[in-house]
Amino acid sequence: SQQGEEDPQALSIQEGENATMNCSYKTSINNLQWYRQNSGRGLVHLILIRSNEREKHSGRLRVTLDTSKKSSSLLITASRAADTASYFCATDAGGTYKYIFGTGTRLKVLA
Amino acid sequence: GAGVSQSPSNKVTEKGKDVELRCDPISGHTALYWYRQSLGQGLEFLIYFQGNSAPDKSGLPSDRFSAERTGGSVSTLTIQRTQQEDSAVYLCASSGGAGRALEQYFGPGTRLTVT
Repeated sequence: SQQGEEDPQALSIQEGENATMNCSYKTSINNLQWYRQNSGRGLVHLILIRSNEREKHSGRLRVTLDTSKKSSSLLITASRAADTASYFCATDAGGTYKYIFGTGTRLKVLA
Repeated sequence: GAGVSQSPSNKVTEKGKDVELRCDPISGHTALYWYRQSLGQGLEFLIYFQGNSAPDKSGLPSDRFSAERTGGSVSTLTIQRTQQEDSAVYLCASSGGAGRALEQYFGPGTRLTVT
């Protein structure tokens, strides 16, 4: 089974609304990363959060990490049509450098 | 500077043939990953190289798959006796640059179609 599972699988919102995606994982980690994939730019790193951090911000992105629940969330505020993409979480399984990607959340932002 | 490049961008091959996929990582990056992504799916880890250490091959789906990394730089993923289920996009990523050691930079991928 997947180390990381994103929820929901698909999300459709209006431009300007916030989008929240969740990721759950199974083993202990040193860090968790979020990536975005769209047809134009391929896979791009968004943000990394370490296991000793609880929250991190980058522009319109806010990531939280709850190691007790083995879960993370990605919040995109004031969404734009250009945010339309698939979003993946990736965890270093067992604290190794072998990153396991989740199945992704497909976000569609309607103009 | 230049990003991760992969070649070819598209490959159509007949079942049973061998294929080689190439990855040129970002110069100076010590780590190199290969992933496979089937249509509409997430990324499946295949293999990981780190410097001169023995690679982590735990994700290779069968012994028809192999990979090497020459001189700590360019990597080649070889699939022997291709099967239709091998059809997917094969993605390469590198990491280990100064200041952002864990961030993976992905190439555009090679779309492999086995007919």
